[in-house]
Amino acid sequence: AQRVTQPEKLLSVFKGAPVELKCNYSYSGSPELFWYVQYSRQRLQLLLRHISRESIKGFTADLNKGETSFHLKKPFAQEEDSAMYYCALLSGGSYIPTFGRGTSLIVHP
Amino acid sequence: NAGVMQNPRHLVRRRGQEARLRCSPMKGHSHVYWYRQLPEEGLKFMVYLQKENIIDESGMPKERFSAEFPKEGPSILRIQQVVRGDSAAYFCASSPPDSPNEKLFFGSGTQLSVL
Repeated sequence: AQRVTQPEKLLSVFKGAPVELKCNYSYSGSPELFWYVQYSRQRLQLLLRHISRESIKGFTADLNKGETSFHLKKPFAQEEDSAMYYCALLSGGSYIPTFGRGTSLIVHP
Repeated sequence: NAGVMQNPRHLVRRRGQEARLRCSPMKGHSHVYWYRQLPEEGLKFMVYLQKENIIDESGMPKERFSAEFPKEGPSILRIQQVVRGDSAAYFCASSPPDSPNEKLFFGSGTQLSVL
């Protein structure tokens, strides 16, 4: 069975500090991984996909198959990055993403 | 395009009543997902539907819960004889027919409270 683990419920940093939101997954095949974000009073929306290898709002995430991880990183956090972040996994042949429980990021001024 | 519309935003029911949650997908989207979010937990998959078909309902409780996505009109998640444990946020998401799993567009959710 596939599973997504986000070990931190809450991550609190100061503006300008580096941030890393952890995501580990369990799946034996080749997964597709995503990060979704929910800002205050807004809908959950896609932030980035590993397959796109893109940087969005300064965030990047690298798929590490050896460690089965897909951590989300940003070198210098901004206050507007404060939000709830969800890691999601899509296994081969499936149309149903599996979500982690989410990590709340708070960036202090 | 107004995005995925869910209503009501808040729904209060007494134990034993029925709850009907509605989801209108984005224009042109033919795939609908329902997820439930309990306090302190992440999004738990419930059911995946295409127009007039239930594709996967493996996350749906066997009793009291049902879902539909008719040819015309919104998708409906129906909970009969609600219990306090059904209190949660219910999210609907939709995706386009040509890339159903590449990106989900979420609604704002319905917060169900069972008294």
